[in-house]
Amino acid sequence: KQEVTQIPAALSVPEGENLVLNCSFTDSAIYNLQWFRQDPGKGLTSLLLIQSSQREQTSGRLNASLDKSSGRSTLYIAASQPGDSATYLCAVIGRLGFQKLVFGTGTRLLVSP
Amino acid sequence: NAGVTQTPKFQVLKTGQSMTLQCAQDMNHEYMSWYRQDPGMGLRLIHYSVGAGITDQGEVPNGYNVSRSTTEDFPLRLLSAAPSQTSVYFCASSYSTGSTNEKLFFGSGTQLSVL
Repeated sequence: KQEVTQIPAALSVPEGENLVLNCSFTDSAIYNLQWFRQDPGKGLTSLLLIQSSQREQTSGRLNASLDKSSGRSTLYIAASQPGDSATYLCAVIGRLGFQKLVFGTGTRLLVSP
Repeated sequence: NAGVTQTPKFQVLKTGQSMTLQCAQDMNHEYMSWYRQDPGMGLRLIHYSVGAGITDQGEVPNGYNVSRSTTEDFPLRLLSAAPSQTSVYFCASSYSTGSTNEKLFFGSGTQLSVL
């Protein structure tokens, strides 16, 4: 059974720092991996999607990498801002599609001014 | 562009009551699903649908019913609410079932408390 772990559970940094969020998964037979952002009281917003054949994806100040063989993904946030404060979740999907999407429990990020 | 709309945002029920959580999307998405989010457990799939008239169970389906009579709507019914169903519920949709690398779109959630 696929298990997804995110460490740390919470992270607090001052504004301007570069930071890395970690996601690990136990079964490397994934189809893609997605990173989501969740703001308090809100739903999830998809940030980046990495296909299993890709090594990384970039969007603005965000860069996500994927190493299937080691079962790891990282989300790199450059020059963090207070508006980046949110919970970040990763999710992996197998070949059977969204019905087999497995979420991690998330990293709660606080960026202080 | 409304996206995925969930109602209500908050609900308090007494044990044994029934209710329906509403979900509607205006993106002509074939795939729709319901998740529950509990502290320390991540999101877990309750039920999903790959098109009108087609539904199936996810990881935690007990105590919940769904139907999909139209492409746009996917209501979740709690038959007899229990305190264990206290959670935040999310509806999500996508153009297809995830096999072509499309993204999943989420509603803003319904916070349900069962006393």
